[in-house]
Amino acid sequence: EDQVTQSPEALRLQEGESSSLNCSYTVSGLRGLFWYRQDPGKGPEFLFTLYSAGEEKEKERLKATLTKKESFLHITAPKPEDSATYLCAVFGNQGGKLIFGQGTELSVKP
Amino acid sequence: DAMVIQNPRYQVTQFGKPVTLSCSQTLNHNVMYWYQQKSSQAPKLLFHYYDKDFNNEADTPDNFQSRRPNTSFCFLDIRSPGLGDAAMYLCATSSRTSGYNEQFFGPGTRLTVL
Repeated sequence: EDQVTQSPEALRLQEGESSSLNCSYTVSGLRGLFWYRQDPGKGPEFLFTLYSAGEEKEKERLKATLTKKESFLHITAPKPEDSATYLCAVFGNQGGKLIFGQGTELSVKP
Repeated sequence: DAMVIQNPRYQVTQFGKPVTLSCSQTLNHNVMYWYQQKSSQAPKLLFHYYDKDFNNEADTPDNFQSRRPNTSFCFLDIRSPGLGDAAMYLCATSSRTSGYNEQFFGPGTRLTVL
């Protein structure tokens, strides 16, 4: 069964304190791993898609990486506006749907 | 800008009173999804349309129905809302022609059941 586990559940950082969020997955035939940002009371906002191990993508202070078992979302010098819940999801060959993790709630204090 | 629009953003209904949530998209995507998301939980897929083909998740209650009259619009009908149906309802779209199911979400409708 396809499964996604995100850690930590919650992360509190000081502004400028870099860190990483983890997404561990088991999937039958990975066709894509997706990162989303979700602000309270809003829909998830698409950030990145990663397709194969070794791939990396960057957007402003965020960098996503992928291995055969996990993905990391690295946040460099975060700002308070980066505070949100970050969701990871996978799409595999079986099941035909996105499998989401529970999310990591990030709080960045000034 | 191309986007996914949901109306209303907030919906209050009474226990057992039918309610309809709407979603429209300007992305011209052929796949549309409805998710239910409760507080601090991951989105849970209810069903999706691939063009006009309806695909129901096995654990979606019969109380939830959907209609897709055309490519741009999709509706979620809750026939007899219970207190447990209070949640954020998210509409998403994707283009299967891309092959990798990148889904783009609307802002959601927050449903309150009194």
